[in-house]
Amino acid sequence: ETGVTQTPRHLVMGMTNKKSLKCEQHLGHNAMYWYKQSAKKPLELMFVYSLEERVENNSVPSRFSPECPNSSHLFLHLHTLQPEDSALYLCASSLLAGVPYEQYFGPGTRLTVT
Amino acid sequence: QKEVEQDPGPLSVPEGAIVSLNCTYSNSAFQYFMWYRQYSRKGPELLMYTYSSGNKEDGRFTAQVDKSSKYISLFIRDSQPSDSATYLCAMSSRALMNRDDKIIFGKGTRLHILP
Repeated sequence: ETGVTQTPRHLVMGMTNKKSLKCEQHLGHNAMYWYKQSAKKPLELMFVYSLEERVENNSVPSRFSPECPNSSHLFLHLHTLQPEDSALYLCASSLLAGVPYEQYFGPGTRLTVT
Repeated sequence: QKEVEQDPGPLSVPEGAIVSLNCTYSNSAFQYFMWYRQYSRKGPELLMYTYSSGNKEDGRFTAQVDKSSKYISLFIRDSQPSDSATYLCAMSSRALMNRDDKIIFGKGTRLHILP
């Protein structure tokens, strides 16, 4: 198991629900990331935080709202999602943001929107 | 044209064979190239990282970058059943990230090593 944990591992939610995904890293890293992995599509970078400041937002819909209260914790708040948002959501961390700093991934949260 | 193209497979090879995995890309600004391995129900893990053109070797793995052809490869020698996984290529144009930077991933190739 890596030093990046994610909860919950599985989540089923309705389109009107509000839920949050949690990520925690125990590696002393300063950068954290949210990725979306859909079947038959490339891994998509959603958000990047460096020293708790957001440095990248790849035009993600506003129904996804990230929060990084400190360098060890990252949240993804979800509301009024669509069925096409069903995917594996991966969190990662690295010493600093970007390459060549190795990103360590968590196991992901499998999200199903009904 | 997609920024990164990667054959999704599946690719099945017998144990002990040499495996060749490839990606092509269109953005000539890419300078940083990575290969990730992802086992089922796990997050990706970084296997190899190379900067610019050339080869890099690490044990049974060799990463090769040909920037003139916009083509990168990962070779696995003496393949083992434990190498069965999905392999993702990824690339980026710059080192430290700012708002204009991206890390672009391929779709991944599923590899099966047959005992």
